Amino acid sequence: GAGVSQSPSNKVTEKGKDVELRCDPISGHTALYWYRQSLGQGLEFLIYFQGNSAPDKSGLPSDRFSAERTGGSVSTLTIQRTQQEDSAVYLCASSLEGLTGELFFGEGSRLTVL
Amino acid sequence: SQQGEEDPQALSIQEGENATMNCSYKTSINNLQWYRQNSGRGLVHLILIRSNEREKHSGRLRVTLDTSKKSSSLLITASRAADTASYFCATDRSSNTGKLIFGQGTTLQVKP
Repeated sequence: GAGVSQSPSNKVTEKGKDVELRCDPISGHTALYWYRQSLGQGLEFLIYFQGNSAPDKSGLPSDRFSAERTGGSVSTLTIQRTQQEDSAVYLCASSLEGLTGELFFGEGSRLTVL
Repeated sequence: SQQGEEDPQALSIQEGENATMNCSYKTSINNLQWYRQNSGRGLVHLILIRSNEREKHSGRLRVTLDTSKKSSSLLITASRAADTASYFCATDRSSNTGKLIFGQGTTLQVKP
C-alpha cells in the first residue's frame, strides 16, 4: 500500500481479554515503531524493530505487552489481560532509514478497555 | 522518560499571525524532527534538522536548533485556520539505538 496501515481502527474490549493490533508498514521500510498515545498526551515509545536486529523493547510498560515482526514486514502488538489503563491510541510508524529517518505514521488503533 | 518538552502547551492565534512553538531536550541528539497531528489522525512529518544545522526552512515553516541550549523552535508564518493541530518535536538521541522520543506537544488553534 501507499502508507502505513493499521487494524483495527477501533477496538472495544472487556478487562482481562487479550487484544492484537496489526501494523502493515510501507514496503521496503526496515524500521518499525510502536507508540502509545493517551488522550491529549504525547507519544510514549513502546518498541522498535530495525531490520534483523534484536528489537528495542525498552518502552513496553509490562510483560503483558509483546510485539513481533514477521518476515521483516507486518508487526503485531499483543496486549494480554487488558486493563483499563491500557486504553489509548496505539500508533505504528515505519521508516526507511531507521536511525535518522523520517517516520511515516499509520492512523492508529484506538483501544478502549471497559 | 520524556526527552522533549514543548511550550506553550496550548496556543491560540488569529489567522495571519505567526505562531512560535518551542522544544527543549535533555541529552545530545543526532537530529530533531517536528511533526503535526490533526485531531484523531496519525502524525505527519514536517521537517528534520540535524545537530550540525542551525536553521531550516520549508514553505511557511522555519525551524531553529540551538544545541548549546538544547532547544529548538518551530515558527509558522502567516498562519491559516488549516494549521490548527497539535505539533510535536521528536529527538533521536546520539547514544540510542534509533528510537525517536516525542514531547508532549503544543496544541495550536488558528481562528479564522
